Amino acid sequence: GIQVEQSPPDLILQEGANSTLRCNFSDSVNNLQWFHQNPWGQLINLFYIPSGTKQNGRLSATTVATERYSLLYISSSQTTDSGVYFCAVEGYNFNKFYFGSGTKLNVKP
Amino acid sequence: SQTIHQWPATLVQPVGSPLSLECTVEGTSNPNLYWYRQAAGRGLQLLFYSVGIGQISSEVPQNLSASRPQDRQFILSSKKLLLSDSGFYLCAWLDRGKAGELFFGEGSRLTVL
Repeated sequence: GIQVEQSPPDLILQEGANSTLRCNFSDSVNNLQWFHQNPWGQLINLFYIPSGTKQNGRLSATTVATERYSLLYISSSQTTDSGVYFCAVEGYNFNKFYFGSGTKLNVKP
Repeated sequence: SQTIHQWPATLVQPVGSPLSLECTVEGTSNPNLYWYRQAAGRGLQLLFYSVGIGQISSEVPQNLSASRPQDRQFILSSKKLLLSDSGFYLCAWLDRGKAGELFFGEGSRLTVL
């Protein structure tokens, strides 16, 4: 299957700071998504972004498919941004989504 | 709108007991359905996926099984639970008609004692 690596594994920020999370993948992909897992375990869809750039409020994401990586930007972080951020990819064999091991973010007030 | 439900939300089971987790999707037809497991502090491991009724693909050899008796129903089962089956189980669905975006249920937290 496709290998998905996320970095950094852990990140501590002061409220108001900006951050960049990275997702590298080992093969061409048909689908790439970013998720936020809140402290209750719920996985929230952030972006569906197999290529290009998208923005949603303080969050934005960029995927460079030809270079096999995606970046998630968080600006002016808030304590509610805390949790684990996952990147998931679907290869061209379809149907299978592979997850990275996540970046655990802790935003301190 | 489409929704996905899982139950039970939490359960504690003794080693050797059976398991049944259920997932249903509303507001769509013929979705792809998935079961993932998340161990404490870890990433998500794909266990099973289904592209249609009765069609199950297994990703990891284990004592778990999955079934899809109806189009929008996905069941995860075990005849005899092991301690290593403890974890957070997540059901997900994908509607190819909506840009291939994956959506997750609320999860079922299983503790095997």
